[in-house]
Amino acid sequence: NAGVTQTPKFRVLKTGQSMTLLCAQDMNHEYMYWYRQDPGMGLRLIHYSVGEGTTAKGEVPDGYNVSRLKKQNFLLGLESAAPSQTSVYFCASTRPKIYNEQFFGPGTRLTVL
Amino acid sequence: AQSVSQHNHHVILSEAASLELGCNYSYGGTVNLFWYVQYPGQHLQLLLKYFSGDPLVKGIKGFEAEFIKSKFSFNLRKPSVQWSDTAEYFCAVSLNRDDKIIFGKGTRLHILP
Repeated sequence: NAGVTQTPKFRVLKTGQSMTLLCAQDMNHEYMYWYRQDPGMGLRLIHYSVGEGTTAKGEVPDGYNVSRLKKQNFLLGLESAAPSQTSVYFCASTRPKIYNEQFFGPGTRLTVL
Repeated sequence: AQSVSQHNHHVILSEAASLELGCNYSYGGTVNLFWYVQYPGQHLQLLLKYFSGDPLVKGIKGFEAEFIKSKFSFNLRKPSVQWSDTAEYFCAVSLNRDDKIIFGKGTRLHILP
């Protein structure tokens, strides 16, 4: 099993550009999450999904959109990138019941100039 | 709102020293508690978790944590650290009725050889 994979690994954008980050998991997990990690801020939840076709806002959803058209994929979109969105983005997945372990992807380092 | 506090932002220890990292949370209901570790350049991995039963939880690599409900705490301990324990450590909390986890801001641990 590959676990949780993320593409791309690195990306540089100019302010105002758009992009989509892809997260894929092969563990048949129901729940998937997008976090951003910034120095001194820990991980902050952007959006999450508890099943195919469902999404919900997390702690810092502004400026991001998500879609979960297939159970194994969770896409994070930036419609108009801003320098404040420079960060490392992690995707995670887990089985239902929140006491289960979250499995994390390797991360995407995004720089917005 | 639910929150997680990690008291130490940066800890420096020598090899063989004992470690204790503090974690407190602010919620009075039934919680699930986690410690994750992030080695340099890598993604988060689960060290240990508590959701019921014995409040002293043992994890991987010799780590353990104690859940003290009256103090709303879940401190991480290791009797003798190694250089390879250099990493960032995150405490996290979830509620039984919720679908998401709240992470603390992390503690950077640096072990001197």
